[in-house]
Amino acid sequence: NAGVTQTPKFQVLKTGQSMTLQCAQDMNHNSMYWYRQDPGMGLRLIYYSASEGTTDKGEVPNGYNVSRLNKREFSLRLESAAPSQTSVYFCASTWGGGYYEQYFGPGTRLTVT
Amino acid sequence: QQQVKQSPQSLIVQKGGISIINCAYENTAFDYFPWYQQFPGKGPALLIAIRPDVSEKKEGRFTISFNKSAKQFSLHIMDSQPGDSATYFCAASSLTGNQFYFGTGTSLTVIP
Repeated sequence: NAGVTQTPKFQVLKTGQSMTLQCAQDMNHNSMYWYRQDPGMGLRLIYYSASEGTTDKGEVPNGYNVSRLNKREFSLRLESAAPSQTSVYFCASTWGGGYYEQYFGPGTRLTVT
Repeated sequence: QQQVKQSPQSLIVQKGGISIINCAYENTAFDYFPWYQQFPGKGPALLIAIRPDVSEKKEGRFTISFNKSAKQFSLHIMDSQPGDSATYFCAASSLTGNQFYFGTGTSLTVIP
């Protein structure tokens, strides 16, 4: 039981390049989330998927797109990376709704130069 | 606009002391208040959580105190240990919602 896995762990991009961050969970959870973590700003929600087939914007969605590929997988895409997107990205999952524990992945550290 | 305000940003405590982290919220629809602990290089993990039908919840050395009228809740770490050194996040959500709103985090250092 791996929980929530993320790939890659580290990535360096040049401004304007694109990439996709992958996330998968093996807990049969319904809801999945993408957060970014920046010093002094906590965890900010980028996008979430309450259930398979649905996605919704969070607090900071600009510059990102997501795909809920199936119940297990939720990817985050940066179409044209900017230095402001340098951050640590976390994927999380939960059974669904606001009363359940969120399980977080190990994170992806992204640097955009 | 920050939905959950957390203080202090950093905290240094002697081993054996009490660590206290405070959070405040405005949205009265919130009815679930978890605390997450994060070690360097790792993702956050649930530490303890409370629902507003009780004013206090204790799990070992960790206690959440909840004041519904003041819309505030706090984490108390008794007999703090160097192994407690981590970043702590408070959060809030609601049963009918799907989003979790996190505080900005508190970096706790426990000095031996």
